[in-house]
Amino acid sequence: DVKVTQSSRYLVKRTGEKVFLECVQDMDHENMFWYRQDPGLGLRLIYFSYDVKMKEKGDIPEGYSVSREKKERFSLILESASTNQTSMYLCASRRGGRYEQYFGPGTRLTVT
Amino acid sequence: AQSVTQLGSHVSVSEGALVLLRCNYSSSVPPYLFWYVQYPNQGLQLLLKYTSAATLVKGINGFEAEFKKSETSFHLTKPSAHMSDAAEYFCAVRLGDSNYQLIWGAGTKLIIKP
Repeated sequence: DVKVTQSSRYLVKRTGEKVFLECVQDMDHENMFWYRQDPGLGLRLIYFSYDVKMKEKGDIPEGYSVSREKKERFSLILESASTNQTSMYLCASRRGGRYEQYFGPGTRLTVT
Repeated sequence: AQSVTQLGSHVSVSEGALVLLRCNYSSSVPPYLFWYVQYPNQGLQLLLKYTSAATLVKGINGFEAEFKKSETSFHLTKPSAHMSDAAEYFCAVRLGDSNYQLIWGAGTKLIIKP
C-alpha cells in the first residue's frame, strides 16, 4: 500500500511566523502535490513537483513556496503565515504515467 | 474551460436506501474520472476510477459509477447505505491532456439517517 505521511495533524501558528509542512511518501512516486481544502471550495492546488528539484505553480501559489530535495519528501513553506491561510493542507503523490493520486491524512493549520 | 460539478453539497439518505451522488464534467479530451472519499479529519481515499475501459466501474466498499459520455456524467451509486458511508465524496477529472493535474469538484457530504 502507498503510504503518504504528513508531519503534523494539527498545527497552531501565529501571524507572521514561518511555517513548514512536511510530506513523505514511501512508494518512489515521481510526482507530489500540495493542496489546500476549504469548505465549499473543494481542493485547490498550491504547487506540484514532477521530479526532484522541479516544481510548478498550481492555482493558488501566492504566499507559499515549496522544496523537493529528495524524491520522497515534499515540503510546503508559508513564508509569513497569515490568518487567511488557516485551512486543511493535503499532500498527495502519484506514480508517473498514472493519474490517481494518493493522499496523506492532512494537516489542519490554524493561524492566529 | 474544464470543470467538474457535483450536484448537492449535502445529500441525506436513510440507512439501507440507495445512494446516488451526482457528478458532471466538461472536458475537451477523453476524460479520466475519479471518485474519492474523505472521512472526518482524514485525507482522501480513492474509491474508483474510469480510464476509458469498461463504462461501469466498481470500487471499494460496494460503490460503483457509470461513465455516460452522452450525458457527460459519472454518478456514484451504492445499492444500500450503511452508517459507515457517512463522509464527504469528491469527483475529479484529469485536466486536459495534462500529465499531472486533476480538476476537483466541490464535494458532497453524505449523511446517513438511522
